[in-house]
Amino acid sequence: DAMVIQNPRYQVTQFGKPVTLSCSQTLNHNVMYWYQQKSSQAPKLLFHYYDKDFNNEADTPDNFQSRRPNTSFCFLDIRSPGLGDAAMYLCATSRGRSNSPLHFGNGTRLTVT
Amino acid sequence: AQTVTQSQPEMSVQEAETVTLSCTYDTSESDYYLFWYKQPPSRQMILVIRQEAYKQQNATENRFSVNFQKAAKSFSLKISDSQLGDAAMYFCAYRSVFGGGGADGLTFGKGTHLIIQP
Repeated sequence: DAMVIQNPRYQVTQFGKPVTLSCSQTLNHNVMYWYQQKSSQAPKLLFHYYDKDFNNEADTPDNFQSRRPNTSFCFLDIRSPGLGDAAMYLCATSRGRSNSPLHFGNGTRLTVT
Repeated sequence: AQTVTQSQPEMSVQEAETVTLSCTYDTSESDYYLFWYKQPPSRQMILVIRQEAYKQQNATENRFSVNFQKAAKSFSLKISDSQLGDAAMYFCAYRSVFGGGGADGLTFGKGTHLIIQP
């Protein structure tokens, strides 16, 4: 089945230690998104790639970066995680048309110690 | 910027009963898409139903239907014959038609936690 896969499911990192979360897709979708979801809050869009074009949300901290080496993979890099970065990180894809729904992965729950 | 408001943090319904989850949004755009997503515990977010703003007819998907009131900027989700598997967080989401070349992400509400009582 075509899908969006996030690894790892759970990630623990130390305060200030760089961490990378990964996302892969078999849907061949143009767009890949990263959302941050904190407990009892709405998922918040961090950035997205439309093919190779990177689009950063205005309020996304500089601490968060992303890479998309090819259509299938996208990475979220947190350069110096703080305690406030502990959250569920959701990867999603879409075809890049307004009426196309987003397809989500299972998410990676990040704990910062 | 668009905002989405879900005023019910939690709802509870008896199995087989009907429940309505409310959602309001604020936008100055005339055309857009609205979505309801379901996020079961520890599982991925999946699309429940989608509504295109220029369509007056309310979308339906089996037991799920929406009441879309464009003038009131309201987009409620009705779940009929509730089942235990419907228990989840439900998120209402907005998507602009015009921005980002079709790649704009969704703007989500805070979600409603739906509990199904057996």
